[in-house]
Amino acid sequence: EIVMTQSPATLSVSPGERATLSCRASQSVSSDLAWYQQKPGKAPRLLIYGASTRATGIPARFSGSGSGTEFTLTISSLQSEDFAVYYCQQYNNWPPLTFGGGTKVEIK
Amino acid sequence: EVQLVESGGGLVQPGGSLRLSCAASGFTFSSYDMHWVRQATGKGLEWVSAIGTAGDTYYPGSVKGRFTISRENAKNSLYLQMNSLRAGDTAVYYCARLRVPPAFDIWGQGTMVTVSS
Repeated sequence: EIVMTQSPATLSVSPGERATLSCRASQSVSSDLAWYQQKPGKAPRLLIYGASTRATGIPARFSGSGSGTEFTLTISSLQSEDFAVYYCQQYNNWPPLTFGGGTKVEIK
Repeated sequence: EVQLVESGGGLVQPGGSLRLSCAASGFTFSSYDMHWVRQATGKGLEWVSAIGTAGDTYYPGSVKGRFTISRENAKNSLYLQMNSLRAGDTAVYYCARLRVPPAFDIWGQGTMVTVSS
């Protein structure tokens, strides 16, 4: 099973600042990685797939990078609606499909 | 509108059974692999099961032998039969569509399953 580890667990950022979230895989997943955003009481929302491709309707301030075992989600200028929990997920080697434990982006 | 709507959640005693349903609309249901993902309160996302367009099924070890995923394309519906339920199965259960390249692009609103005596 591929273990996905996200860091930090919580990220405190001021509106307008840049946020950088990390996701590490226990073995290479190539570029088979997705990022999701989840707000309280809501279903997750797909942001990024293929490590770096934005999903339909996702603003350009969200960008993904990385390959192999190290991945990054960057939010270039945080807006109020971006404060949420973010999950990475690999689909390179499954079953099982695995998610990271999440990073909560909170207002500083 | 592309939509998934889950139903069937509720309170069940340990050892009991429950069947979840997921109604799809707005897209060609039979053309997509479908999955169930769950989330315990305050916890992260956990993949529960998958079914391919050909009816092939996949499970993690935590539910294998207890849960059964199925689909009925004529009714645009996905199901999850859950048997021998445990307290650790308590969670919100989401159905999700897997796009190509693989990623979950459409999610339902979730249905809550509580396993407690």
